[in-house]
Amino acid sequence: SQTIHQWPATLVQPVGSPLSLECTVEGTSNPNLYWYRQAAGRGLQLLFYSVGIGQISSEVPQNLSASRPQDRQFILSSKKLLLSDSGFYLCAWGSFRDRGVYEQYFGPGTRLTVT
Amino acid sequence: AQSVTQPDIHITVSEGASLELRCNYSYGATPYLFWYVQSPGQGLQLLLKYFSGDTLVQGIKGFEAEFKRSQSSFNLRKPSVHWSDAAEYFCAVGVTYGGSQGNLIFGKGTKLSVKP
Repeated sequence: SQTIHQWPATLVQPVGSPLSLECTVEGTSNPNLYWYRQAAGRGLQLLFYSVGIGQISSEVPQNLSASRPQDRQFILSSKKLLLSDSGFYLCAWGSFRDRGVYEQYFGPGTRLTVT
Repeated sequence: AQSVTQPDIHITVSEGASLELRCNYSYGATPYLFWYVQSPGQGLQLLLKYFSGDTLVQGIKGFEAEFKRSQSSFNLRKPSVHWSDAAEYFCAVGVTYGGSQGNLIFGKGTKLSVKP
């Protein structure tokens, strides 16, 4: 069966510091991968998605970036964090269903607090 | 443009009472629809999905949802709520941009509180 891992689970970082969040998937190959952010009262915001190694699409302009160095690894980064980067970050992998639609399965999330 | 609306931000029901969470979507083609549940501090868990066929779909934890094309709705129901159902619920529609580029568009969520 497939599992998805995220780490760290929680992170407290000062403004201006760098960020690296990691997501890995087991039990599937060549999945679509997604990064979302949840800020209080704002629902789920899609940040990046990837359909393969080195292929990243950005949905929202910001000071975050994503990379996919391996098939089942997805990394979210920042060179300098802002206060507004605080939130709950969720990684998901997509299982192809039909007509181009992907069913998504989520990791446990990372709670990021920027101070 | 594709969108999902969950009209209720917060709902409170008594334990043992029935539940219905509303979801309306806007999508040009036949939609793929999903309901997810999120407990505090956790990731999202898939409750159920509709792709085609029977418009009443069953999910995990005793939930069901009914697809009504004429009303562009996909409401989630449970006949008897348990205290452990307190969580936030998200409705989503699957969209495709061609090739391998498929995504989900989520509603803003409905927070469910359960009174003892």
